[in-house]
Amino acid sequence: NAGVMQNPRHLVRRRGQEARLRCSPMKGHSHVYWYRQLPEEGLKFMVYLQKENIIDESGMPKERFSAEFPKEGPSILRIQQVVRGDSAAYFCASSPDGLSNQPQHFGDGTRLSIL
Amino acid sequence: EDQVTQSPEALRLQEGESSSLNCSYTVSGLRGLFWYRQDPGKGPEFLFTLYSAGEEKEKERLKATLTKKESFLHITAPKPEDSATYLCAAFYNQGGKLIFGQGTELSVKP
Repeated sequence: NAGVMQNPRHLVRRRGQEARLRCSPMKGHSHVYWYRQLPEEGLKFMVYLQKENIIDESGMPKERFSAEFPKEGPSILRIQQVVRGDSAAYFCASSPDGLSNQPQHFGDGTRLSIL
Repeated sequence: EDQVTQSPEALRLQEGESSSLNCSYTVSGLRGLFWYRQDPGKGPEFLFTLYSAGEEKEKERLKATLTKKESFLHITAPKPEDSATYLCAAFYNQGGKLIFGQGTELSVKP
């Protein structure tokens, strides 16, 4: 499967725990984007990364959230000390480069539930 | 603030009943729009890219058009398998983040 792979598909955490969401981009893609979809809301941009660089993190909450895309391995979205309001679907997308005319291709998301 | 608004929020059609979905935008530095389809429990699936006013793209029963202020997704003689949420997303000259609308949930009954 050459698509964007996200895991886990479902993740349950208790308040105060850490959540780690992983994203492997499509083959040949070096640009990764994370979006969050809250219940009854649209997709909201969080962060845009290239290998080893954060290009735009204007949509990331200031605290508890971080993202990385190392030279080797998947991109990771990390949420520390989760709260109920973090319950959402988190989607990763990738593109071959950062050019505006390249559509972003999405994975099937990670559904995060906070108990 | 840059914004993308879709209407209606939900649309119920009978099989074969054609209709249109609207996407209006106020985005400075807009380069174009993407249309996506999202099925329940899945990620958005790319449909079309539109760059300039007057542009049209077609795929099977779907046709997307673009004006200076809005875009339309026309669905001709829809079938039940066209049922999904349709999303439009604005993108900038410099690439990067997408600004999504809330989506239109389309239901086509046989």
